[in-house]
Amino acid sequence: KAGVTQTPRYLIKTRGQQVTLSCSPISGHRSVSWYQQTPGQGLQFLFEYFSETQRNKGNFPGRFSGRQFSNSRSEMNVSTLELGDSALYLCASSFALVTDTQYFGPGTRLTVL
Amino acid sequence: DAKTTQPTSMDCAEGRAANLPCNHSTISGNEYVYWYRQIHSQGPQYIIHGLKNNETNEMASLIITEDRKSSTLILPHATLRDTAVYYCIVRGAGGTSYGKLTFGQGTILTVHP
Repeated sequence: KAGVTQTPRYLIKTRGQQVTLSCSPISGHRSVSWYQQTPGQGLQFLFEYFSETQRNKGNFPGRFSGRQFSNSRSEMNVSTLELGDSALYLCASSFALVTDTQYFGPGTRLTVL
Repeated sequence: DAKTTQPTSMDCAEGRAANLPCNHSTISGNEYVYWYRQIHSQGPQYIIHGLKNNETNEMASLIITEDRKSSTLILPHATLRDTAVYYCIVRGAGGTSYGKLTFGQGTILTVHP
């Protein structure tokens, strides 16, 4: 079974731009979670989607948003990019329940100049 | 979710068992202990999880104390490829835990030849 895939793997943007990252979950998985990883803050939860609905949200500003499609694929968007948004963005998928194991993708490395 | 405490770093000789401790003294009865590892800014890799009983899979063993206040991840025959940051996570079974893993700083395990 194929793992979680994320595109693109690397991205360079400038301040003020917006960016959209994509995540395809493991086949059959219906929940997709997003995380941000920076050297200073470590791995932090952004939000989780299940059946096209946001089910949980971390403590991030409204510039960070996401959505999930009917095929469980998910996108996250960051508007008005700031230098501090430079990070590794990770997507994880799980089957459905709150305690289902999450499997992570390789991440998208975003650099904001 | 309960907070976890792990040593900052540990060393292990190749071929020997690596025993990584985790303290989670405030764990609740319905909270699971999960272990992930992350190699070189790749996506975190799921290793194992448990609730009360000891668990074993092809990667590792998880020993949970009877009072559930601490646990140990055991890599039976460490190899150089096991050098990584290991995260111990306590995860709730409902409410705000949907899709969310709370990562701490983890333990940097270095396996030496």
